[in-house]
Amino acid sequence: GEDVEQSLFLSVREGDSSVINCTYTDSSSTYLYWYKQEPGAGLQLLTYIFSNMDMKQDQRLTVLLNKKDKHLSLRIADTQTGDSAIYFCAETGDNAGNMLTFGGGTRLMVKP
Amino acid sequence: NAGVMQNPRHLVRRRGQEARLRCSPMKGHSHVYWYRQLPEEGLKFMVYLQKENIIDESGMPKERFSAEFPKEGPSILRIQQVVRGDSAAYFCASSPGIANIQYFGAGTRLSVL
Repeated sequence: GEDVEQSLFLSVREGDSSVINCTYTDSSSTYLYWYKQEPGAGLQLLTYIFSNMDMKQDQRLTVLLNKKDKHLSLRIADTQTGDSAIYFCAETGDNAGNMLTFGGGTRLMVKP
Repeated sequence: NAGVMQNPRHLVRRRGQEARLRCSPMKGHSHVYWYRQLPEEGLKFMVYLQKENIIDESGMPKERFSAEFPKEGPSILRIQQVVRGDSAAYFCASSPGIANIQYFGAGTRLSVL
């Protein structure tokens, strides 16, 4: 079945760049997403990338997709304390209903 | 345009009671998805519905859980005879079409005592 893996934890200093990594197994993924979850809150869609793209940039966020290695990364430039949250990678595999398969989440801690 | 609305935000039930979770999709969205998030884990798909139809319930436990999305009104996730293992955050997402982005509600946090 489909599987999405993320490292559990990342700690960076304010102003540094953060890179959150994700690997997935389903080669038929069409869209890959990054969601942000703050404590006690829902999921906020940050960005997404279509599987035929290698890179997508949106202000401080850069998404890189290596389809050969099934590796997705999210880079946050100039990380701020407000970026502290859990970041989830998700993909839509080869399912007719477009259901999302999520990774376990990476907890990003930004130190002042 | 209001986002996906879920209520209640927090729900406390005793073992054996019923839990009803409601989700109103964004305006114009006819596709609803329910996901469950156990403590310290990612979200797991439960069920996918369109108006008046269950399209895929492959992630739903076979017993005690049911979902509906009537022609009028919100989608309802119903858990009968709750057990402690049902304690989790339940998220609803909606999209306007099958290949579109899913937008999530703030979730309902169910605690079973």
